[in-house]
Amino acid sequence: DQQVKQNSPSLSVQEGRISILNCDYTNSMFDYFLWYKKYPAEGPTFLISISSIKDKNEDGRFTVFLNKSAKHLSLHIVPSQPGDSAVYFCAASVGATNKLIFGTGTLLAVQP
Amino acid sequence: NAGVTQTPKFRILKIGQSMTLQCTQDMNHNYMYWYRQDPGMGLKLIYYSVGAGITDKGEVPNGYNVSRSTTEDFPLRLELAAPSQTSVYFCASSPLQRSQYTDTQYFGPGTRLTVL
Repeated sequence: DQQVKQNSPSLSVQEGRISILNCDYTNSMFDYFLWYKKYPAEGPTFLISISSIKDKNEDGRFTVFLNKSAKHLSLHIVPSQPGDSAVYFCAASVGATNKLIFGTGTLLAVQP
Repeated sequence: NAGVTQTPKFRILKIGQSMTLQCTQDMNHNYMYWYRQDPGMGLKLIYYSVGAGITDKGEVPNGYNVSRSTTEDFPLRLELAAPSQTSVYFCASSPLQRSQYTDTQYFGPGTRLTVL
């Protein structure tokens, strides 16, 4: 039972354009959502997060949107850069459990 | 700070062999975790620890054991390796819980394990 789903295994965008990565979840108890970025042969690194009391959080070129009624969140990267090419994982948790449930990841390729 | 370090980077085991994956963090974090990532899948939590001497099972604990005798170290033990344990293993740590939400976890570079 996949509680966090990333239905697009891969995404290709042109440099300078917007990248939109999507994530759906099924557990309505999730109250905190995170995006991690992973380069090959490295561990995931934290990118941005959002709590369930918000619907948007921005950090520079990265913005995460949360639609609780649809149980959907998205990560927007504007403008996309070749260095953004990586696998992006969506993760969710309940309260202060510190237990993360990860999606399967989306491989983003930003073409120069 | 080195952050979270893991050894070895790669290992090939034969079925039935045992080994310990090492994980050390120098950030004085209370929480530590072990995840595995299978090809095309997300990370799944194996075990976690909220402090020295305290460990608990995650989503996929079968076939593994852990111990936490110090704040810095959190080794993962495979007793009887099976092909199903072929995976990439990531160790992570996070600081003492400060809010009502999960704290950011910092990951090591991973150990790629193959069981033949």
